Amino acid sequence: AQKVTQAQTEISVVEKEDVTLDCVYETRDTTYYLFWYKQPPSGELVFLIRRNSFDEQNEISGRYSWNFQKSTSSFNFTITASQVVDSAVYFCALSENFGNEKLTFGTGTRLTIIP
Amino acid sequence: GAVVSQHPSRVICKSGTSVKIECRSLDFQATTMFWYRQFPKQSLMLMATSNEGSKATYEQGVEKDKFLINHASLTLSTLTVTSAHPEDSSFYICSARDPTVYEQFFGPGTRLTVL
Repeated sequence: AQKVTQAQTEISVVEKEDVTLDCVYETRDTTYYLFWYKQPPSGELVFLIRRNSFDEQNEISGRYSWNFQKSTSSFNFTITASQVVDSAVYFCALSENFGNEKLTFGTGTRLTIIP
Repeated sequence: GAVVSQHPSRVICKSGTSVKIECRSLDFQATTMFWYRQFPKQSLMLMATSNEGSKATYEQGVEKDKFLINHASLTLSTLTVTSAHPEDSSFYICSARDPTVYEQFFGPGTRLTVL
């Protein structure tokens, strides 16, 4: 069975600080996809990234970066120079196969950026 | 990117009534759609997988007679909450799989409140 663990329930940081959101996953599949989504108060899920199990390269997109380490089954997400607009709930998720199968979500991390 | 809509975005109903939620893929054909449920401050849990032209596949613990799913066309899946009760109050989110790009796209969600 697949499982995604986000141990950090809530995090608060002061604006402009860097923050890392942790994600640890479990799966028996050799081919899988990992995702991060942002859920602002409006409720709509905002897609941030998808990474397949064969690509361990770290990725940077603006202030966002992701660190995928298969050895520790982790897919951590870092926001640098945080901004108030980053306040949201962030979900890590896992799916089998080609990334368009059903998703197993973590419990989410509520991030609050303090102005 | 592909667009998935949900209607209604918000619904309030009395206990005992049935509520229908629509999920539409606007610019692609979706042979498969997924229905998720999110209780307040909790994660998203998959309820069922909806396949066009066939019966939906329900996750363990989800009552198929209570949550009726119909996927009658390649662009529309409906979730009907029958005889709704206050404990059914939740945020319902659908996603649609675009088989041409191996991705799934989420709708904006429907907030159901049962009085």
